[in-house]
Amino acid sequence: QLQESGPGLVKPSETLSLTCTVAGGSISSSRYYWGWIRQPPGKGLEWIGIFYYNGATYYNPSLKSRAAISVDTSKNEFSLRLSSVTAADTAVYYCARRPKYYYDNSGHYTSSGSLNFDSWGQGTLVSVSS
Amino acid sequence: QSALTQPPSASGSLGRSVTISCTGTSSDVGGYKSVSWYQQHPGKAPRLMIYEVSQRPAGVPDRISGSKSGNTASLTVSRLQAEDEADYYCSSYAGKNNWVFGGGTKLTVV
Repeated sequence: QLQESGPGLVKPSETLSLTCTVAGGSISSSRYYWGWIRQPPGKGLEWIGIFYYNGATYYNPSLKSRAAISVDTSKNEFSLRLSSVTAADTAVYYCARRPKYYYDNSGHYTSSGSLNFDSWGQGTLVSVSS
Repeated sequence: QSALTQPPSASGSLGRSVTISCTGTSSDVGGYKSVSWYQQHPGKAPRLMIYEVSQRPAGVPDRISGSKSGNTASLTVSRLQAEDEADYYCSSYAGKNNWVFGGGTKLTVV
């Protein structure tokens, strides 16, 4: 289970900070990536970033280095910071889990290339407004 | 503007089938076997329905299927049920540890 938490309102130009607490599984597991996805009201999904237990972290290039994911393994949680926010960053923010491997049709344990988030938090709405 | 193109809406009758398309380019859909599909009901988190073009996660019924031809991926929902009415999003790997989503398709079951 994943649960997002953080302020529901952020002022323009400030930094959005959210935390995802994971229960029932370790974020240090080699079996999964963990990530953030957002969805502006009435619009589609946008992936923000994902990380792997070995420190590998990838971000959506469209966010132009504004996003940063950090990890606290002692609390089994990870966080998102998004700097210099504008109204366009108003969205429901989700944290999710992405399996690194799957069994293909031949029964081989294979690395997945899809954005296959199989477990999601309920999402938290963050509004950017003064 | 989304990187992958989906029809804004689709509809099908109860018990029949419907196919939703997801068109990209040779740099994403056409270049990798890494397409996924999500179902999202209003106010809910997305649910993974298909990954790696045609793989179904545990718990997804076999009347849900995925395929790909060239730069276009497709999601087919057979034997439509009322609960299938939802928004559907496709996603594809686009290289260099980047992924893209489609704009979403609202499926109506009539």
